[in-house]
Amino acid sequence: NAGVTQTPKFQVLKTGQSMTLQCAQDMNHEYMSWYRQDPGMGLRLIHYSVGAGITDQGEVPNGYNVSRSTTEDFPLRLLSAAPSQTSVYFCASSYSTPAFRGISYEQYFGPGTRLTVT
Amino acid sequence: KQEVTQIPAALSVPEGENLVLNCSFTDSAIYNLQWFRQDPGKGLTSLLLIQSSQREQTSGRLNASLDKSSGRSTLYIAASQPGDSATYLCAVRPNYGGSQGNLIFGKGTKLSVKP
Repeated sequence: NAGVTQTPKFQVLKTGQSMTLQCAQDMNHEYMSWYRQDPGMGLRLIHYSVGAGITDQGEVPNGYNVSRSTTEDFPLRLLSAAPSQTSVYFCASSYSTPAFRGISYEQYFGPGTRLTVT
Repeated sequence: KQEVTQIPAALSVPEGENLVLNCSFTDSAIYNLQWFRQDPGKGLTSLLLIQSSQREQTSGRLNASLDKSSGRSTLYIAASQPGDSATYLCAVRPNYGGSQGNLIFGKGTKLSVKP
């Protein structure tokens, strides 16, 4: 049981390049989400998914795209990287959200991807 | 809009001391509150999850309390050790809004336990 895994751990991009941050979980969790963490700003939600084929925007979605074709994977795509997207990105998952099951569950986080855009 | 505040932003204590970290939130409409630990350059490790109907949770030397009506939670660490040095994050899960179920984080308390 690997939990939540993220690749790559580190990435450097040039402005305008695109890339995909990978996230996978092996706990059969319905709910997955992406956060970015910036100094002085804390963690902010980018996008989330409550199940395969269902995604929605969080607090800071601009410049990012997501899809959820399987329960296990939730990739985050940067369409045209900008220096403002330099950050540490965390993927998280939980069994479900309260809205769907009426029960609130613990969230588990991946180790993060440190992205630098020059 | 739900806001989560953690005070102090940084705390330094000698080894062996008992300590309390504070977390406050502005809206009591939450499903749960979760405490995390983050080591430098690492991800978040879940420490304790308190459901909105609970008053406290304990795990080893850690005890977290929740007073939903006053919008406060505390994380009590007994007999602190240098290995407890990390940033501690508090997060609430609101039970309203379009992003229902998504965590809202405080900015954390950076704890340093000196030998």
